[in-house]
Order: sequence, then structure tokens, then C-alpha cells
Amino acid sequence: DTGVSQNPRHKITKRGQNVTFRCDPISEHNRLYWYRQTLGQGPEFLTYFQNEAQLEKSRLLSDRFSAERPKGSFSTLEIQRTEQGDSAMYLCASSLAYLAGVGTDTQYFGPGTRLTVL
Amino acid sequence: DQQVKQNSPSLSVQEGRISILNCDYTNSMFDYFLWYKKYPAEGPTFLISISSIKDKNEDGRFTVFLNKSAKHLSLHIVPSQPGDSAVYFCAAYVTGANSKLTFGKGITLSVRP
Repeated sequence: DTGVSQNPRHKITKRGQNVTFRCDPISEHNRLYWYRQTLGQGPEFLTYFQNEAQLEKSRLLSDRFSAERPKGSFSTLEIQRTEQGDSAMYLCASSLAYLAGVGTDTQYFGPGTRLTVL
Repeated sequence: DQQVKQNSPSLSVQEGRISILNCDYTNSMFDYFLWYKKYPAEGPTFLISISSIKDKNEDGRFTVFLNKSAKHLSLHIVPSQPGDSAVYFCAAYVTGANSKLTFGKGITLSVRP
């Protein structure tokens, strides 16, 4: 069990550029979540996948954001036309969800990608 | 609207003493609660959790207490160690749905040697 990994760990970009982050979850986990954390705040939910299906998106996820999880394995989060307000830590988490809400669904987080938009 | 509140931004305790970190929630639908520990430049690390059908869960030096009627939970660390110095987040979710976590703002714990 190698844990959740995220790449890159840091990304500095200029306003208006596109960026893409990658998350590799724990191998047997069927759920994958994206969160965003800004300074002084707790992580905030952005979106999640059950296998390859994206089942919910937060209102925080504007049209400039898109996430994919092809084949239900790794996931990518793309931000188009970045803005300074997008500067944050982007966290990925994965879990093994039991069927029909039975059991627990503990999420394990990766180290995050720190995005700075200049 | 902050559904999970950690009203004390920081806590400082002496090594060997007890640390008590508090958390309040407003959404009565939450039925599963977790504590995460976070070091700078790292992702949150799962610490301990509790279901709403219990009022206490213990794991080594860490114990979480849940008071459903008061919508309050607390994390006790006994004895506190300098390596426990970190930011602690309380989180909650509704089971049987998407399990998305709602976090508090975190408490910075400093354990003095």
C-alpha cells in the first residue's frame, strides 16, 4: 500500500494559463475525491468519483474546472484560464466505499498540489 | 455557513499533559465524524473516527468523545508529545450518500517540551 500520490507537488503559473494535476489513489479504492484548501481554512469539497463516474460537483467548481477519472484509476483535475483566486492547495483523497452505505468510508489524503497563480 | 466549527484556533500544552481539542457541528444529518492531523506542506493524515451510534472511541493515546445532543465532539490526547504538534481538523459526513467531508478550520496544537 503506497498511499495516495499527487503530481506535481508545486505548480507556479501565470494568470490565464491552463494547469493539470494528477492523483493516483490507493489501488483498490473505488472512490476518489478532490478538495481545495486555502490559508486558514479547512479543505473544501470540489468533486468526487465512484469508479469512473463523476457523481457530484460542488458549486465551487466553476466551468473552468474539469475533472476526469478514466478507467476508474488515476484522476486529473484541469483548471483553464487560471485566476489568482485559484491559488490554493489541491488535495486528493481516496476511499473504499461499501455498498449501500454499510460500513465506513474513511478517506485517505495525498500530499496535495500547491498552486500559485501570478 | 460553517457546519463544522472549531472555535479555538490554537492550543498550547506541556509535554505529558492532556490535550483536549473541541469541535461543534450544526448539521444534525452528520452521522460519522473524523479527526485528521496535518503537518505543513503535507496532506491531512487520518487519526481517529467515531460513528454517531457510539459516544466514545479509543485508539492508543487518542480518544474521541461524541455528545450528540450537544452536537459536540472532542479529541483527547494523553499523554501529549512534542511530535503531536500539528494542525488538527475535525470533519463530518453523512453515511449512505457521497461521504463528502465537511471540515472545520482546524486547531493548531503546540506541545511544549
